[in-house]
Order: sequence, then structure tokens, then C-alpha cells
Amino acid sequence: QVQLQESGPGLVKPSETLSLTCTVSGVSISRYYWSWIRQPPGKGLEWIGYVFYSGKSNFNPSLKSRVTISVDTSKNQFSLKLNSVTAADTAVYYCARELHSRDDLSWFDPWGRGTLVTVSS
Amino acid sequence: DIQMTQSPSSLSASVGDRVTITCRASQTISSHLNWYQQKPGKAPSLLIYAASSLQSGVPSRFSGSGSGTDFTLTISSLQPEDSATYYCQQSYSSPDTFGPGTKVDIK
Repeated sequence: QVQLQESGPGLVKPSETLSLTCTVSGVSISRYYWSWIRQPPGKGLEWIGYVFYSGKSNFNPSLKSRVTISVDTSKNQFSLKLNSVTAADTAVYYCARELHSRDDLSWFDPWGRGTLVTVSS
Repeated sequence: DIQMTQSPSSLSASVGDRVTITCRASQTISSHLNWYQQKPGKAPSLLIYAASSLQSGVPSRFSGSGSGTDFTLTISSLQPEDSATYYCQQSYSSPDTFGPGTKVDIK
């Protein structure tokens, strides 16, 4: 059974860097794409970006200049860094596996439980 | 970016009712459309992928249809545990984008 668990600080000061880690269990991280998705309180879902074990990555253009996603195959983890945060970055952050079919369809499954990150001084 | 819209934004229905949620893309996305269910305080979970494929373990009362720009999620017989918010998501063109959600309540 594939499981994902987010970890990291729940409070980040404005202008600082948000750092989260997703620990994957039940499958090797080297087999799939891995994404971060966020949800501001009471609002909808926003895809942040993905990473492949090789280091290949892709980001939402709305966040691209501030985002880094990396993978640590030795720990079966991948990480998110979002710099220069503001209150608008306050959200529940989810990590998720991104599955791809042979004809390039893709979907997110499973998701981690999510972790709330609040940006406040 | 491809914009996703959903209708209605919320609905209230009785147990046993047939419920239909519509999702529309701002441009054609073929069958690159997924549906998720999110219960309060929980992470979204995959219901339907590739527009009409039922995820393993999901009850058969859930079904998806559509192609191009217009898609539907149908719950054939609403159950109390189906009270949740439902999101569509397109994966045709980066960035992946989600609809705003449809909240389903039980009368």
C-alpha cells in the first residue's frame, strides 16, 4: 500500500522559505512522478509542480520563480521549497503520486494527508 | 492555462437520488479529465480517471463520462457517506488545473 506523509514547519515568517518533505512508503520513489498541490483555507486546489527521480521537474508558471522540488532516492523522499513567502502562500500542502498511462493521461493517487503551513510574523 | 468550471457550485439531495455534476474545460482536453472527492479535513481522493475509468475500490454508483470540453460525474444513488466536495482536474496541458469544486450535501 502506497502511503505519503508530509512533514515540516507549520509556521513560516513572511519573506522566508517554506520547506516541506514528503516521505513515501510502500513503493520506490524511482518509479513515478511526484507532485505538490496546495489548498488555501476554504478554497480550491492549485498544482505546484512535479519531480521525477532523475531530477526532471515541471512547475506551475504562477510559482515557477519561487519553487524548487527535489528528490532524495536514498531516503525515498521528495521535498518542496518555496521562497519569499507571503500570507497568500498560507495553505494546506499536499504531496501526491502522479500516475501516467501509456497514452500520456495522468492523475494524482494517492495523496498525503496534508500539512497546514501558515505564513505569519 | 486551461480554465475549469463546475456546475452547480453546491447541491442538496436526498439519499437514493441520482446526482449529476458538470465540468467544462475552456478548450478541448480529450479525455484528460479526473474527478476527486474531498471530505472535510481530509485529502482529496481519486474517484474517476481518464474521464470514465473508475478507480479501484470506488463504489460503482460513481461514474464519469464526456470528452472534449464537457464532462459529467454521476452518483447513481446518493449515499450519506457521499457528502463531500467534488473536484474535476485536467491533465491535458501544463499546468494541471482544477475546477472550483461542487459541494454535495445530504438533505
